[in-house]
Amino acid sequence: SQQGEEDPQALSIQEGENATMNCSYKTSINNLQWYRQNSGRGLVHLILIRSNEREKHSGRLRVTLDTSKKSSSLLITASRAADTASYFCATDGRGAQKLVFGQGTRLTINP
Amino acid sequence: EAGVAQSPRYKIIEKRQSVAFWCNPISGHATLYWYQQILGQGPKLLIQFQNNGVVDDSQLPKDRFSAERLKGVDSTLKIQPAKLEDSAVYLCASSSARTASVREQYFGPGTRLTVT
Repeated sequence: SQQGEEDPQALSIQEGENATMNCSYKTSINNLQWYRQNSGRGLVHLILIRSNEREKHSGRLRVTLDTSKKSSSLLITASRAADTASYFCATDGRGAQKLVFGQGTRLTINP
Repeated sequence: EAGVAQSPRYKIIEKRQSVAFWCNPISGHATLYWYQQILGQGPKLLIQFQNNGVVDDSQLPKDRFSAERLKGVDSTLKIQPAKLEDSAVYLCASSSARTASVREQYFGPGTRLTVT
């Protein structure tokens, strides 16, 4: 079963705007990771946030984690056409020793 | 550093036939994963190896799927016999994680399987 649920399922914005994607999960976690998948390609790791962290930045990416609400968000600032992809959150549940992926958010950046 | 290699990239077979996928992980990565990704969904873990031992195969349909990791390096995933619902992208990933904590995973390009 897939633990993470991304919201929205699809998002379309103009180039230069910010994009926000949300992920909710059900059980306690060790960490949460975000991955990007371009059409027809494998997944690329973007960022890992541990359960004791609340916010993390990497370039134009900002990830927040609220363990009390069992939710995370991924913000991409100043979006570019190359950001068009599907974005997945994946959780490492306590004691699970594996990642469980959500259904993903399909992001389209319009030029 | 070379990435995760997979072959073939595409495969079309008829139902009830057999098929095998190959994966070569990043050098030195102890943990190897096989995922199934059905169109429009996230990847689902089929099997996880640490070195050449199986850590988790709880979601592997063992009546038709099998996997092995030779000498703790390369791995093959086999489906025999294939069903229509096996049509998906099969992703291989590897990680340097050697303990219970899960680190980032590095994915190969995947094999797109179509069963007709």
